[in-house]
Amino acid sequence: GDSVTQMEGPVTLSEEAFLTINCTYTATGYPSLFWYVQYPGEGLQLLLKATKADDKGSNKGFEATYRKETTSFHLEKGSVQVSDSAVYFCALSGGNNRLAFGKGNQVVVIP
Amino acid sequence: NAGVTQTPKFQVLKTGQSMTLQCAQDMNHEYMSWYRQDPGMGLRLIHYSVGAGITDQGEVPNGYNVSRSTTEDFPLRLLSAAPSQTSVYFCASSSSTLRQGYTDTQYFGPGTRLTVL
Repeated sequence: GDSVTQMEGPVTLSEEAFLTINCTYTATGYPSLFWYVQYPGEGLQLLLKATKADDKGSNKGFEATYRKETTSFHLEKGSVQVSDSAVYFCALSGGNNRLAFGKGNQVVVIP
Repeated sequence: NAGVTQTPKFQVLKTGQSMTLQCAQDMNHEYMSWYRQDPGMGLRLIHYSVGAGITDQGEVPNGYNVSRSTTEDFPLRLLSAAPSQTSVYFCASSSSTLRQGYTDTQYFGPGTRLTVL
């Protein structure tokens, strides 16, 4: 079935550092890909999405490009802030709104 | 719009007790779903509904029941709580259901943290 793999473990980095969170997927057909963010004590919010190969999703300085050849959707931000500290989830959907989530990555940004 | 609301925010149950987690949305969304979030597991789909009167099982449905009598509400019932159901539960909704190969943005509620002793 459809699945998403995120890199293991939390990510700790200093303010203004470059952030990358890896995400790869397994799916049949042409899924839509998403990044959701969860701030402490809150529900998930959509950060960005891409619905077809080579699409780039972007929001709040974050970017991710749908790479069908490598089945990847890595999240990047050029200069993180303390306010970016959160848990980030990669997800996919093959259609009909059912989402398959990765395990999530805790990001901690130190001032 | 309030978006997706969930009650209660926190709940402690004893093994064998029953309870209902409430979820409501005011966006007239057709699709609603329940997920549970466990450490190191991401979110897993419990049950979902594509419209009033229609529900189906997700990845981890055992021990949970749902019904959808109105577009707005999608309660999740635990008939006999077990410690394995200790988790954070999220309800979500979105507008598109029948457009083949398309998934609309899902909007999540703030969650219910459930502890079963």
